Amino acid sequence: QVQLVQSGSELKKPGASVKVSCKASGYTFTSHAINWVRQAPGQGLEWMGWINTNTGEPTYVQGFTGRFVFSLDASVTTAYLQITSLKAEDSAVYYCARDFPRHFVSDYWGQGTLVTVSS
Amino acid sequence: EVIMTQSPATLSVSPGEGATLSCRASQRVGNYLAWYQHRPGQAPRLLIYDASSRAAGIPARFIGSGSETDFSLTITSLQSEDVAVYYCQQYLKWPPKLGQGTRVEIK
Repeated sequence: QVQLVQSGSELKKPGASVKVSCKASGYTFTSHAINWVRQAPGQGLEWMGWINTNTGEPTYVQGFTGRFVFSLDASVTTAYLQITSLKAEDSAVYYCARDFPRHFVSDYWGQGTLVTVSS
Repeated sequence: EVIMTQSPATLSVSPGEGATLSCRASQRVGNYLAWYQHRPGQAPRLLIYDASSRAAGIPARFIGSGSETDFSLTITSLQSEDVAVYYCQQYLKWPPKLGQGTRVEIK
């Protein structure tokens, strides 16, 4: 069965970096893009962007450029989200999701990774 | 950028009754509209895509309708497990945008 399993919660200090992993299984990894979505505390879901799992090319929504980096390692069917120069406002739950059945629609989601940025 | 506006913010419904959630797009998006259910502590779940097509395994009590700028999600005969926040999302124009969500509660 299709599964996306994300890495565990992270507690980081401002200015540090974090890398969230998203391990996909149960389907052909390169057949579907991976979308990334954020939920800040008390807020709704916010689309961050996506990564093409064939080419590795990322595309970012405005507001998630610069410090946010999507990458992948197809050999281990894993996508990554790295956030550098962390700020308190980056504290959120980050979700990866499989892109299907339409581009930018997400059918299977990871369980979410809580990133807390605090001194 | 397409702005998605959902109403109401919160809906309280008695078990077994129906609930209708609304979603309005600031620009025409055809039928490029999805609905997600987000239960507390769980991953979001795709309910509807293409405005009215149910995703795999979604019960028939979830019905999507509408086109262009006005969309609805109807939950017929609300069950306790339907307590969640529901989001609409357009995916015609970049960037894909989600609404702010409608919280469904049991009365």
